[in-house]
Amino acid sequence: DAGVTQSPTHLIKTRGQQVTLRCSPKSGHDTVSWYQQALGQGPQFIFQYYEEEERQRGNFPDRFSGHQFPNYSSELNVNALLLGDSALYLCASSLRNSRYGYTFGSGTRLTVV
Amino acid sequence: DQQVKQNSPSLSVQEGRISILNCDYTNSMFDYFLWYKKYPAEGPTFLISISSIKDKNEDGRFTVFLNKSAKHLSLHIVPSQPGDSAVYFCAASPPYGQNFVFGPGTRLSVLP
Repeated sequence: DAGVTQSPTHLIKTRGQQVTLRCSPKSGHDTVSWYQQALGQGPQFIFQYYEEEERQRGNFPDRFSGHQFPNYSSELNVNALLLGDSALYLCASSLRNSRYGYTFGSGTRLTVV
Repeated sequence: DQQVKQNSPSLSVQEGRISILNCDYTNSMFDYFLWYKKYPAEGPTFLISISSIKDKNEDGRFTVFLNKSAKHLSLHIVPSQPGDSAVYFCAASPPYGQNFVFGPGTRLSVLP
């Protein structure tokens, strides 16, 4: 039973560029949440997708956007990258728009230079 | 404004002894709390949770205590094992919220 899968595992981008990160939820899960974890800090909630719609959003600018596909997988897009966007981006899946049973992926390490 | 605080960045404990990790929160609306463990190059792994209607929850070697009046929770690991060495995150959620607010983490080292 595959857990949460994220791709790529590592990524280096130049300031000003755009990036897309991908997430496949755990089998049976239909809700995907994205978190940003800066170095030395805890994960910070970006947004959550359920039924292909953004259901809740944290305190992140509009440069951060997402999408959920009919197969429940999700993408996180970040435009106009800043050096401060360098972080580990974590995807978590759960069932039915719920806060219970969160399962995290291993993350995508984004470095902006 | 940090709503979930873990004031000890690191903790070292001898194998077989008790590890106590502490967490404080400021938002009295939080009603669900969790502890996650994270190894390097892996995502956080769920350890144990507690609802605000309880003051204690136990799962094997792990026990979480919640003191709502003090807005404080703690994770006890007994006995501690070298494999418990990891970063531990405390997280909290408001009612009807689908997101968690995480603390900055405490790095636990269990020494053989």
